[in-house]
Amino acid sequence: AQSVSQHNHHVILSEAASLELGCNYSYGGTVNLFWYVQYPGQHLQLLLKYFSGDPLVKGIKGFEAEFIKSKFSFNLRKPSVQWSDTAEYFCAVNAPGSGGGADGLTFGKGTHLIIQP
Amino acid sequence: KAGVTQTPRYLIKTRGQQVTLSCSPISGHRSVSWYQQTPGQGLQFLFEYFSETQRNKGNFPGRFSGRQFSNSRSEMNVSTLELGDSALYLCASRGYGEGPLRNEQFFGPGTRLTVL
Repeated sequence: AQSVSQHNHHVILSEAASLELGCNYSYGGTVNLFWYVQYPGQHLQLLLKYFSGDPLVKGIKGFEAEFIKSKFSFNLRKPSVQWSDTAEYFCAVNAPGSGGGADGLTFGKGTHLIIQP
Repeated sequence: KAGVTQTPRYLIKTRGQQVTLSCSPISGHRSVSWYQQTPGQGLQFLFEYFSETQRNKGNFPGRFSGRQFSNSRSEMNVSTLELGDSALYLCASRGYGEGPLRNEQFFGPGTRLTVL
């Protein structure tokens, strides 16, 4: 079964600072990778996704993530954060076609990001 | 297109009772997945239904069950509720067509279940 590890549970940054949230997964086969965001009081929204091709993927609101297969990583980045980026961020992986629960999304525990004005 | 809707949004039950939660997927989506979100365990996959059949199952006890109707609406049932079942239950739908986009899931607002 796959697992996802997010290294930082709480991150506090000032506006305009650069952001990098770490995500590592464990699964030896083909995976799809996702970052979801949950703003206060709102439901989970997809930020970006990687299925195949260019390992650098761009998402909404200026976010991007880089898939490094050799490191089993899919870190989320943003060059300059805003106060409105305050939210919970979840990294997720699924392993399509591998059966069992693997077609469902396996989530990391989440990173609570607070941006101070 | 309307998003994924879940009812009720909030629910309070007592230990030993059972509960049924409902999810209506995005129009045209045939796959519905259920997740449990708690502060301690995070988001955990419960099961997925496609065309009225359970296609995938996570690691939860048999007290957690679900079903899907011909219009793709899904219900999740938890019997003999325990305090630890207090959580936000999320439903997600996807199109399940060909190609990689079949893996993109859209989440509903969730049902907040409190077990007393």
